[in-house]
Amino acid sequence: EPEVTQTPSHQVTQMGQEVILRCVPISNHLYFYWYRQILGQKVEFLVSFYNNEISEKSEIFDDQFSVERPDGSNFTLKIRSTKLEDSAMYFCASFTGELFFGEGSRLTVL
Amino acid sequence: AQKVTQAQTEISVVEKEDVTLDCVYETRDTTYYLFWYKQPPSGELVFLIRRNSFDEQNEISGRYSWNFQKSTSSFNFTITASQVVDSAVYFCALRRGETSGSRLTFGEGTQLTVNP
Repeated sequence: EPEVTQTPSHQVTQMGQEVILRCVPISNHLYFYWYRQILGQKVEFLVSFYNNEISEKSEIFDDQFSVERPDGSNFTLKIRSTKLEDSAMYFCASFTGELFFGEGSRLTVL
Repeated sequence: AQKVTQAQTEISVVEKEDVTLDCVYETRDTTYYLFWYKQPPSGELVFLIRRNSFDEQNEISGRYSWNFQKSTSSFNFTITASQVVDSAVYFCALRRGETSGSRLTFGEGTQLTVNP
């Protein structure tokens, strides 16, 4: 079965550091997403990406966040200067007819 | 605006009991999709079911069943003869159907604990 893969599975970083979370979506999918889940809370939409540009973003997705698909396969989420409140599980997803989630990347900001 | 409400924060049952997880949604769209996901302690999101707004037929898959009622904007999930392995957080979610690739809106989740 096709799957979305995410790396790293867990990253610990110091406040103020830059973090890049990577995702390999399913190869023939057209839409890509990042969602965030703060521990114990619901899953929240961050951003969707289609045709090499952001198609929708939430109010959470502020200037410290960016996404790109640099090489046509990887889909990355960059957090420029991490804050304590960025600690969360970050899920990548891809979609063409069906939506598939990756297993998540847990980010811990100290 | 889209909204999903899961009023039950936590449910605790004893193995073999039946349990129903409630989900109520709000949307102005006529075409939309409803989902249930399971999140076990390991953290991943496991897809359980997708339903479109034009299909109100109830669905059964093994011990799982879903009751979709547009009249009450509800999409409830029942586990029959619950097992310890069913312990997880369950999320109901909603997606607009008119726009391809639109975001999922999740409910707050229901923590289900099945005790032996």
